[in-house]
Amino acid sequence: NAGVTQTPKFRVLKTGQSMTLLCAQDMNHEYMYWYRQDPGMGLRLIHYSVGEGTTAKGEVPDGYNVSRLKKQNFLLGLESAAPSQTSVYFCASRALAESSYNEQFFGPGTRLTVL
Amino acid sequence: AQRVTQPEKLLSVFKGAPVELKCNYSYSGSPELFWYVQYSRQRLQLLLRHISRESIKGFTADLNKGETSFHLKKPFAQEEDSAMYYCALPWMGGSYIPTFGRGTSLIVHP
Repeated sequence: NAGVTQTPKFRVLKTGQSMTLLCAQDMNHEYMYWYRQDPGMGLRLIHYSVGEGTTAKGEVPDGYNVSRLKKQNFLLGLESAAPSQTSVYFCASRALAESSYNEQFFGPGTRLTVL
Repeated sequence: AQRVTQPEKLLSVFKGAPVELKCNYSYSGSPELFWYVQYSRQRLQLLLRHISRESIKGFTADLNKGETSFHLKKPFAQEEDSAMYYCALPWMGGSYIPTFGRGTSLIVHP
């Protein structure tokens, strides 16, 4: 049981390049989230998904796209990377049930630098 | 709208000193609140949730509805407590979007 995994762990891009970050979870969770973490800004939600085939915008969606074609995977795409997208990206998942015990499980993060 | 405020970006203490990381929330209903911890260059992980009334690694947090606070406390800080701490409203009725505070970086000096 690997939990939440992210690929790649590190990446350096040039301005204008594109890339896709992969998040995978093996806990059969319905909800999945993509966050970016920047110094002094905490965690900011980029996009989220409440189930296979569904996605929605979070707090800072501009410049990113997502897809959830399979329940266990949540992809984050950058079509044309900008230096402002230099950040650490975290994926998280959460079970469906409306329980106050339901925590989010986080991936290890992807450190992205855009030159 | 729901909101979580952590007023301190950085908290610096010496080993053995008491620690209190502040968290205030804004929510109209009866909230559930969590504390997450992130050790250096690691993933976030749940530290504790108020409904469990648990003490994890010596940390406790009490929900004060009158002051709308959920401060995290530890009587004697250890160097291994140095980390980033996030307070969060994990689930709102009808909303799937957790709300996080901006985090407090705790540094415990030897």
